[in-house]
Amino acid sequence: EIQLQESGPGLVKPSQSLSLTCSVTGYTITSGYDWSWIRKFPGNKMEWMGYISYSGSTNYNPSLKSRISITRDTSKNQFFLQLNSVTTEDTATYYCARYDNNYYYVMDAWGQGASVTVSS
Amino acid sequence: DIQMTQSPSLLSASVGDRVTLSCKASQNIYKYLNWYQQKLGEAPKLLIYYTNSLQTGIPSRFSGSGSGTDYTLTISSLQPEDVATYFCQQYNSWLTFGSGTKLEIK
Repeated sequence: EIQLQESGPGLVKPSQSLSLTCSVTGYTITSGYDWSWIRKFPGNKMEWMGYISYSGSTNYNPSLKSRISITRDTSKNQFFLQLNSVTTEDTATYYCARYDNNYYYVMDAWGQGASVTVSS
Repeated sequence: DIQMTQSPSLLSASVGDRVTLSCKASQNIYKYLNWYQQKLGEAPKLLIYYTNSLQTGIPSRFSGSGSGTDYTLTISSLQPEDVATYFCQQYNSWLTFGSGTKLEIK
């Protein structure tokens, strides 16, 4: 059974970078699918941030393109989110998920989420 | 961006009730509509994909329907374990989500 788990600092200062790790067990991230980050803001609005594919290519939400980077460490079966120049508006719960980008465009496995607050 | 509007935002119903949740897109999404359930403190779970396909392991009391811009998630007989927030997600050029319907037991 696949499981995903987010980890990283829960508090980030404005203008700094937010960095999160998604650790995947039960499936090898180079075997298929795309590996995505999604965030949920206070008030429940959700935003798809981007993904890294099983082959290592990336695709980002245009609204974040200048600030976001998704990378991976295949030896550890992990992928990472970096969001630069954060503001208080980046305060959210961040989820990683496995994304089927070929047929039905679904996230069929999710992590529990990591709450990140941007505050000085 | 395609905007997704869910209604109601809060729904209170009794055990055994038939419950209907709505998700409306700002333009035609050609049935690329998925539903998720998120219980408090848990990871979101995929329920329904491509409008009406039941994800493996999901009880048959859950069903989906719709076309064009209007989509519905139905729970045929509400159970206590169905208390959760339900959100929809569409695919066009990229993904957008509804803001969710919180379902509680009356």
